[in-house]
Amino acid sequence: QKEVEQNSGPLSVPEGAIASLNCTYSDRVSQSFFWYRQYSGKSPELIMSIYSNGDKEDGRFTAQLNKASQYVSLLIRDSQPSDSATYLCAVWTYNNNDMRFGAGTRLTVKP
Amino acid sequence: GAGVSQTPSNKVTEKGKYVELRCDPISGHTALYWYRQSLGQGPEFLIYFQGTGAADDSGLPNDRFFAVRPEGSVSTLKIQRTERGDSAVYLCASSLTGTGFYNEQFFGPGTRLTVL
Repeated sequence: QKEVEQNSGPLSVPEGAIASLNCTYSDRVSQSFFWYRQYSGKSPELIMSIYSNGDKEDGRFTAQLNKASQYVSLLIRDSQPSDSATYLCAVWTYNNNDMRFGAGTRLTVKP
Repeated sequence: GAGVSQTPSNKVTEKGKYVELRCDPISGHTALYWYRQSLGQGPEFLIYFQGTGAADDSGLPNDRFFAVRPEGSVSTLKIQRTERGDSAVYLCASSLTGTGFYNEQFFGPGTRLTVL
């Protein structure tokens, strides 16, 4: 079992729709969770971080964390073609100095 | 500078050669990380520096890989006797402290290494 799992996609949504990206992790003691956006040929860009159970909203982005289910998600509202990218889920276990990344989900937003 | 910088952006070398990849972190960030990313995969951890010392080098694949950060700022990743399997994008990231919950890491643009 991979430590951080994401559906590879591609996930295709129409412009203006909600895109839902999901991630599960195996290390129950992980404390911090991050979403990165990576455009083709570019490096990852941090877009959201979440540390507590529940929802965290930032503009069109909402991160959701459920530690009991070892599940973290990212919702993108009013999706735009410019949101088309690969979204990487990252899980941090600070006592191990350990950041693990999923393989990413490729999102395509169609005009 | 405002962000993490890496040089060169591209490096093409021949099998068996030695290469050095450089990373300049965000000013004031004490933690520095090296990752390697292959096509279709997420970044894979290589090594982590806290200040000048390598706090965790468990991700280095073998002894051909070595990294230094002598003054606690710029870091160099060194690869000896390169192999075709070393071809990947090498990413550097930095974070303010590298400890505790709030370890937000910011990535540089990466160095694309191609070993022929």
